[in-house]
Amino acid sequence: DQQVKQNSPSLSVQEGRISILNCDYTNSMFDYFLWYKKYPAEGPTFLISISSIKDKNEDGRFTVFLNKSAKHLSLHIVPSQPGDSAVYFCAATPTGNQFYFGTGTSLTVIP
Amino acid sequence: DAGVIQSPRHEVTEMGQEVTLRCKPISGHNSLFWYRQTMMRGLELLIYFNNNVPIDDSGMPEDRFSAKMPNASFSTLKIQPSEPRDSAVYFCASRDGGPQETQYFGPGTRLLVL
Repeated sequence: DQQVKQNSPSLSVQEGRISILNCDYTNSMFDYFLWYKKYPAEGPTFLISISSIKDKNEDGRFTVFLNKSAKHLSLHIVPSQPGDSAVYFCAATPTGNQFYFGTGTSLTVIP
Repeated sequence: DAGVIQSPRHEVTEMGQEVTLRCKPISGHNSLFWYRQTMMRGLELLIYFNNNVPIDDSGMPEDRFSAKMPNASFSTLKIQPSEPRDSAVYFCASRDGGPQETQYFGPGTRLLVL
């Protein structure tokens, strides 16, 4: 009963191209969404977030899109760089304290 | 700042043994979270504390799991007795301020129960 799902366990992209990571959720009470990035042997680090009152948030090469009607969010990385190779976790929360994470998508950016 | 510190980084133990995982949050942070990461379920919140008080432990899987935060600079997650299905990476995270403030994660403890 995963409330946050990342259906693609892995993704490979050429350097310079766009990476699109997808995330679906089931709980309509979620009102804040986050993406975390994780390198091997390290803890996840916060990347970007979006509130449910918005449908887009941009930070440099990273943009998160939220489609509330479809209960779907995506992370776009443009242009992709080899240093972006990591596992990306999508997370959502209804309260700001109870966070629900997906299983992660491993991104490989090929030089 | 050294960030969130967790120890040990790796733990191998036999089924039935007690396991204690430790966490030192970032100084000044008022909330602390314990997570478990598995391949099947991703990151799951086990428990979180606010100002050293446990607020929500609904994610703790069984009575074999317990967590304490005796002061603002230290927390433990104990598993007694441990079972092979407890094998996972356990993360501690801390946060300063309200719900939309960033959580900072430690490097995790990789636990293997044989």
